[in-house]
Amino acid sequence: DVVMTQSPLSLPVTLGQPASISCRSSQSLVYSDGNTYLNWFQQRPGQSPRRLIYKVSNRDSGVPDRFSGSGSGTDFTLKISRVEAEDVGVYYCMQHTHWPTTFGQGTKVEIK
Amino acid sequence: QVQLQQSGPRLVKPSQTLSLTCAISGDSVSSNSAAWHWIRQSPSRGLEWLGKTYYRSKWYNDYAVSVKSRITINPDTSENQFSLQLNSVTPEDTAVYYCARETYFDTSGYDYFDYWGQGTLVTVSS
Repeated sequence: DVVMTQSPLSLPVTLGQPASISCRSSQSLVYSDGNTYLNWFQQRPGQSPRRLIYKVSNRDSGVPDRFSGSGSGTDFTLKISRVEAEDVGVYYCMQHTHWPTTFGQGTKVEIK
Repeated sequence: QVQLQQSGPRLVKPSQTLSLTCAISGDSVSSNSAAWHWIRQSPSRGLEWLGKTYYRSKWYNDYAVSVKSRITINPDTSENQFSLQLNSVTPEDTAVYYCARETYFDTSGYDYFDYWGQGTLVTVSS
């Protein structure tokens, strides 16, 4: 299985400051159709995961533009340009290029 | 707007069968461009994909190796829902279980997990 490794696992951030989460895959996530199937999810306490970003850099409808995704191959990043209180939660990367779909272990974002 | 509504028992005894249902609104379980997944989450395993069902002129299933001998995912076209059955459960199967949607279009490719159910905490205990 493709291993998804996130860092850091814990990210204390000051309100209004930027935050960045790294996700590395054990194999390239470029699929035969040319797409790179790397998604980012946010999970607030007590809630289901919510997709923020799909195919590396596409923001889902309703997701604030302070969230952005980038990367290629095996190295990906989720950035929050200015952290707000509602951004507290755990963030996961996920790949569905290779079978089976696999998730990162999660990065907990908290306010300092 | 797609909604996925989960239901089912929250407590299951060891060796028995875990059964959950995911009712779909705003899409069809029989859609030729969708697939319907089950995922679980536990502190020890994190988020773990379990399997999916989908219709492409006939019904297909795909299951994770870790549960393949114990899992069945079935569509129910009359109720527009799909179900998860996990046999011979142990305390290791205690987790929050989620259903989620996948779509596929020739022009844009695969799109995984844009919609999720609300989650069901299932505890395996006597």
